[in-house]
Amino acid sequence: DADVTQTPRNRITKTGKRIMLECSQTKGHDRMYWYRQDPGLGLQLIYYSFDVKDINKGEISDGYSVSRQAQAKFSLSLESAIPNQTALYFCATSDSPTSGRARDEQFFGPGTRLTVL
Amino acid sequence: AQTVTQSQPEMSVQEAETVTLSCTYDTSESNYYLFWYKQPPSRQMILVIRQEAYKQQNATENRFSVNFQKAAKSFSLKISDSQLGDTAMYFCAFMNTGNQFYFGTGTSLTVIP
Repeated sequence: DADVTQTPRNRITKTGKRIMLECSQTKGHDRMYWYRQDPGLGLQLIYYSFDVKDINKGEISDGYSVSRQAQAKFSLSLESAIPNQTALYFCATSDSPTSGRARDEQFFGPGTRLTVL
Repeated sequence: AQTVTQSQPEMSVQEAETVTLSCTYDTSESNYYLFWYKQPPSRQMILVIRQEAYKQQNATENRFSVNFQKAAKSFSLKISDSQLGDTAMYFCAFMNTGNQFYFGTGTSLTVIP
């Protein structure tokens, strides 16, 4: 089973609709992230969370909100979707420096392709 | 703010040959981590190799190695004996002490049979 899962994998929606993308992880990591990927722009950080009570804005948070429901779950919402939010969205997790496991890389989910018409 | 620059949008290499992908970054921090991630057509982001800035020795992972030049803020990836399965987008990434990641715009590598 995948360590980081995202649902849905693909979604087509209309302008103005509310959309929620979900991310779950079984790695036991404290830190979770949401990125969007656009052609030619690489990955841009939307929001990140270092624990259940911690939420931080990334580079491009406007138009998005997040919820950290539990250590293992981090959801991304588009309150009123617009066409320029069409992109590939990735969730990622990482361990905290205090965990003692000494791993600093990010582990990515499979991505959600979102199309806003 | 940190920035990561990959100046080669596309590259190609003959199978079994060697190719080097370039990456430069800008930071005022002295302690940080650098990564190369691979994204094949499946879209999955896969870690290829990592380098800790305080280590002078260049990291190697089988056919993948890096040339880390801290003073020049350069972190290139060398792929030896290229294989068809190496065809993918490659992203250079920087992680600061706050555990925030910054990604370059990617290099699309095609391995030609």
